[in-house]
Amino acid sequence: KNQVEQSPQSLIILEGKNCTLQCNYTVSPFSNLRWYKQDTGRGPVSLTIMTFSENTKSNGRYTATLDADTKQSSLHITASQLSDSASYICVVSAPAGNNRKLIWGLGTSLAVNP
Amino acid sequence: DSGVTQTPKHLITATGQRVTLRCSPRSGDLSVYWYQQSLDQGLQFLIQYYNGEERAKGNILERFSAQQFPDLHSELNLSSLELGDSALYFCASSAGHPYNEQFFGPGTRLTVL
Repeated sequence: KNQVEQSPQSLIILEGKNCTLQCNYTVSPFSNLRWYKQDTGRGPVSLTIMTFSENTKSNGRYTATLDADTKQSSLHITASQLSDSASYICVVSAPAGNNRKLIWGLGTSLAVNP
Repeated sequence: DSGVTQTPKHLITATGQRVTLRCSPRSGDLSVYWYQQSLDQGLQFLIQYYNGEERAKGNILERFSAQQFPDLHSELNLSSLELGDSALYFCASSAGHPYNEQFFGPGTRLTVL
């Protein structure tokens, strides 16, 4: 069964600290993996997308890594800010006939405290 | 602003009733997706339309239905509402291929009393 699991479920850090969020998937075959940020009560916003051949991709203070062999991805946040408080969701795309199927993780809830 | 609009922003209704949620995708986007998010839960994919045709189905209840019109706006119809249907309903659009980024609307918060 295609699954996407994220850890930890929730995380509290102090402003200015770094943190790393994990995403493990069993989706096969695999097309791409995207990280979204969702502020409370708002729709998710894409942070980065990674294809099979990419290992690392950065977007400002956000750096995503992908190990397609172990089916693991991580999202590293550097020098956290209060505005980073949000849910971070990993989404894996898998081919499904002529379409592609999106498998959503449940997200990691991050709280950045002053 | 994602360019995706959803109306209404809030909706309060009673059990057993029927409601319609509306979504207008970004200009040029052919795909529309509907998601349900209950309190403190993850996003649950409901259904996808591409250029007026149903493309993919997720965990959508039989009491729920959707359609995409020729002008590409979409409506999600929820009937025989139950207390458990209270949730945020998001619409997203993309240029077509699911490889593409989905742009989410602000959501409709449905409260069933």
